[in-house]
Amino acid sequence: QVTLKESGPGILQPSQTLSLTCSFSGFLLSASSVGVGWIRQPSGKGLEWLATIGWEDVKHYNPSLKSRLTISKDTSNNQVFLKITSVDTADTGTYYCAHRNPPGVMDAWGQGASVTVSS
Amino acid sequence: VQMTQSPSYLAASPGESVSISCKASKSISNNLAWYQEKPGKANKLLIHSGSTLQSGTPSRFSGSGSGTDFTLTIRSLESEDFAVYYCQQYNEYPLTFGSGTKLEIK
Repeated sequence: QVTLKESGPGILQPSQTLSLTCSFSGFLLSASSVGVGWIRQPSGKGLEWLATIGWEDVKHYNPSLKSRLTISKDTSNNQVFLKITSVDTADTGTYYCAHRNPPGVMDAWGQGASVTVSS
Repeated sequence: VQMTQSPSYLAASPGESVSISCKASKSISNNLAWYQEKPGKANKLLIHSGSTLQSGTPSRFSGSGSGTDFTLTIRSLESEDFAVYYCQQYNEYPLTFGSGTKLEIK
């Protein structure tokens, strides 16, 4: 059974760096065609894809935030990380990680981590 | 690729059938997925490849379309189907979602 769980700071101030962790079980990120993606959702709004990292360490980023995003993985500890630099209030929302297989399809999601950016 | 989903809101009664439209700004072949969002639950993949039901998706759900026009149809609505539905294209990066359709009980 594939499970994913997001964790983060909860609250942070504008201009800080947001660090999120996705801890997963039930699959190996070293397996062919597997990947993990990050998606966010501002409160009461729709879904926005942020970034994906594949088993072969290929990374894709949303161009609208690319300069601020870094995705990475720790395959041996079944974790994927996302960093967003220079946050502001527009980055407030719920952040989800998801198992990706086949490419582009998010077939299992975590419950989400709530992030609030406020001074 | 911009995804235009309609309607944004839909009210229906249990037992009825409903359809949700998703239009892509350019051809995405059949690289389209549908997801269900419910409060307190993880988002659920319902359909991928435009019309392929994900394992565990009830057969009352169906997807159709290719190119730019896609439809999610739910026949004989059950109480558990009242939720928010999103389409998503994965033909190219960046991956993009429709704005969502909230399906409520009439």
